[in-house]
Amino acid sequence: QKEVEQDPGPLSVPEGAIVSLNCTYSNSAFQYFMWYRQYSRKGPELLMYTYSSGNKEDGRFTAQVDKSSKYISLFIRDSQPSDSATYLCAFSNPYNQGGKLIFGQGTELSVKP
Amino acid sequence: DTGVSQDPRHKITKRGQNVTFRCDPISEHNRLYWYRQTLGQGPEFLTYFQNEAQLEKSRLLSDRFSAERPKGSFSTLEIQRTEQGDSAMYLCASSLRRQNTGELFFGEGSRLTVL
Repeated sequence: QKEVEQDPGPLSVPEGAIVSLNCTYSNSAFQYFMWYRQYSRKGPELLMYTYSSGNKEDGRFTAQVDKSSKYISLFIRDSQPSDSATYLCAFSNPYNQGGKLIFGQGTELSVKP
Repeated sequence: DTGVSQDPRHKITKRGQNVTFRCDPISEHNRLYWYRQTLGQGPEFLTYFQNEAQLEKSRLLSDRFSAERPKGSFSTLEIQRTEQGDSAMYLCASSLRRQNTGELFFGEGSRLTVL
């Protein structure tokens, strides 16, 4: 079983749609749950992070973590063409393993005007 | 620009040649990471340093790969006797050990093409 599973897409939606991105994980030691955004030919950049179960909102973005089900989600409301990118879920246990991140495969999102 | 910088951005080489990539992390960051990313995949961990000490190496890092961070500042990743399977984006990231967000700051990557 892979440590992290993420649907690779690609996902194509019209502008203004609600987007749902998901990852499952198997390692109970993960304590930080992150979403990175990666534009084409660029390095990943942190979009959101959380360390507890529940929801966290930041503008049009909501991160959701369910530790009991080992499942995390990212919701994008009122999606914009500028949201077109690859979204990577990432996990870490900063108190062991040197804070390295374990990434999902990435979901490629295209938002059409 | 005070972000993570990587050089070169793109390297094309012939199979069997050696290549070296350089990473300059954010100046106050004491942790430095190397990742490899192939098309359609997420970044895969290769190795990390805390200051000048290399503390972990992935099984992905074969004997042909070596990384150094001699003075705890910049780092180099060398690949000897390159193979076509080494073609990938090599990403460097840095972080502060004492930060509590788990965030890594990535550079824009060095793309390797092995012919």
